[in-house]
Amino acid sequence: DIQMTQSPSTLSASVGDRVTITCRASQSISSWLAWYQQKPGKAPKLLIYKASSLESGVPSRFSGSGSGTEFTLTISSLQPDDFATYYCQQYNSYSPGITFGPGTKVDIK
Amino acid sequence: EVQLVESGGGLIQPGGSLRLSCAASGFTVSSNYMSWVRQAPGKGLEWVSVIYSGGSTYYADSVKGRFTISRDNSKNTLYLQMNSLRAEDTAVYYCARALRPLYADYYFDYWGQGTLVTVSS
Repeated sequence: DIQMTQSPSTLSASVGDRVTITCRASQSISSWLAWYQQKPGKAPKLLIYKASSLESGVPSRFSGSGSGTEFTLTISSLQPDDFATYYCQQYNSYSPGITFGPGTKVDIK
Repeated sequence: EVQLVESGGGLIQPGGSLRLSCAASGFTVSSNYMSWVRQAPGKGLEWVSVIYSGGSTYYADSVKGRFTISRDNSKNTLYLQMNSLRAEDTAVYYCARALRPLYADYYFDYWGQGTLVTVSS
């Protein structure tokens, strides 16, 4: 199975900060990576798919990059609505079942 | 507008059974890949099961042989039959529409609000 790790596990930041979250896969997954945002008590929301494609309706301050085993999610200028937990998910076809990263919580500094 | 509404969660004793439902609107369940994803209290996301548009089904090892995913095309509804429930199955269960590009597996573009299953005596 492909294992996913995320760093940091928690990130404290202020409104206006540039924030970067890293996701690593235990083996190459090409660009088959998605990012989700989840707020407490709510369902996850798709932000990015295929590593860097922005889902419709998602603000352009969110961006994704990377390929192979290392990926990043960047929020260019953190907004109050962005305090949440972020998960990466690999969907490489040669692994048995998709897997999520453990999550990164972005909280207020 | 796409909507997914789960129901059927609740408190159940270990060894018991429960059936979750996910009513969809705004799209056709049978024409899409549909999945269940769960989240234990305070924990991360765990994929549970998927049903392909062609009817093939797949399960996480943790639920294989105990859970069954199915759909009712006439009701545009997805189900998860959960048998032999264990304490470690306690979680919020989300249904989600899965998108599968060529040469890849799937990711999730729409999610329901979730339904809580608590397995406890």
